[in-house]
Amino acid sequence: GDSVTQMEGPVTLSEEAFLTINCTYTATGYPSLFWYVQYPGEGLQLLLKATKADDKGSNKGFEATYRKETTSFHLEKGSVQVSDSAVYFCALSDRSNTGKLIFGQGTTLQVKP
Amino acid sequence: NAGVTQTPKFQVLKTGQSMTLQCAQDMNHNSMYWYRQDPGMGLRLIYYSASEGTTDKGEVPNGYNVSRLNKREFSLRLESAAPSQTSVYFCASSEFGQLSSYEQYFGPGTRLTVT
Repeated sequence: GDSVTQMEGPVTLSEEAFLTINCTYTATGYPSLFWYVQYPGEGLQLLLKATKADDKGSNKGFEATYRKETTSFHLEKGSVQVSDSAVYFCALSDRSNTGKLIFGQGTTLQVKP
Repeated sequence: NAGVTQTPKFQVLKTGQSMTLQCAQDMNHNSMYWYRQDPGMGLRLIYYSASEGTTDKGEVPNGYNVSRLNKREFSLRLESAAPSQTSVYFCASSEFGQLSSYEQYFGPGTRLTVT
């Protein structure tokens, strides 16, 4: 079945460092891909998305490119801030008639001043 | 526009007690979902309702029941709570179809402890 694998955390960075969180997926067909962010004590918020190969999703300085050839959707940010400390989830939708999402395990990011 | 709302925010139950978690969305979405989040396990789908009038089991349905009361509301019931059901519960909604990218929108969560 479909699955999403994220790099294990926690990831600890200093402020202004470059961030990469790896995400790879297994899916049949042409899934939509997402990154969600969860701040402490809150629900998940959609950070960015991509719906077809080579699409780049971007938001708040974060970017991810849908790479079908490597089945990857890595999250990047050029300069992280303390306020980016959160848990990041990669997810896919197989675009079926259930609308279900499949989530990775989540990666905790801690940014130190 | 409140999005997805959940009540209560926190709850403590004793083993064997029952309770219902409430979820409502004001985005006119057709589909609604219940997840639980446990440390190291990510989010696991409990039940979902792809459209009003239908409900289906997800990955971890045992010990739970759901009701899609109308298009807006989707409740999750624990008939006899067990300590293994201590978790954070999230409700989500989405509208999907040919023109959609299938993203889901989440509520703030209910933190449930069963002693």
